[in-house]
Amino acid sequence: AQSVTQLGSHVSVSEGALVLLRCNYSSSVPPYLFWYVQYPNQGLQLLLKYTTGATLVKGINGFEAEFKKSETSFHLTKPSAHMSDAAEYFCAVSSYSSASKIIFGSGTRLSIRP
Amino acid sequence: EAGVTQFPSHSVIEKGQTVTLRCDPISGHDNLYWYRRVMGKEIKFLLHFVKESKQDESGMPNNRFLAERTGGTYSTLKVQPAELEDSGVYFCASSRGMGLHGYTFGSGTRLTVV
Repeated sequence: AQSVTQLGSHVSVSEGALVLLRCNYSSSVPPYLFWYVQYPNQGLQLLLKYTTGATLVKGINGFEAEFKKSETSFHLTKPSAHMSDAAEYFCAVSSYSSASKIIFGSGTRLSIRP
Repeated sequence: EAGVTQFPSHSVIEKGQTVTLRCDPISGHDNLYWYRRVMGKEIKFLLHFVKESKQDESGMPNNRFLAERTGGTYSTLKVQPAELEDSGVYFCASSRGMGLHGYTFGSGTRLTVV
């Protein structure tokens, strides 16, 4: 079975500050890990993904995440927040054997203070 | 290429009525998925089509929900009769392969049952 825990349903940072959204997963098989973002009134957009290979993955809009197997984590970071980053972010897990079914976390709403 | 299209974007119906949601996947994407987010909770898998066949419908909550994908193109999700707890956002997604690298999601249909 697989599961995802996102720590913090709401995170608020100042513009220009570091963004850190936390995600821990549980998986009995090698995980595929994703971060999706939902901007207001839009669908889910894939930010970045880890399948195999390099553990530090870079995504769109300056975001990156690092797969840490020993910590079962896949935290999302961005060095400098921009007002346009305000959105809801979802961490998700899948695997080769269950590729048709992505398990999502409960989401973290990111607010940016001017 | 055009994205995944869902309509209606919003639907408000009374308890006991029937509602049909439609999803048009990206052209050429054999795999089509339905997910749902009930208010404040996780986004959860409902089912997966490969072309016109249901590959996995383990997430369908009960027999009031019927999904079809005739001809392997667009898909419909019918709720009959609708109950209050069916309110939420219904997302459709598609992928060319098995979705190992993530899907493309539509913007969702917000269903409100009153």
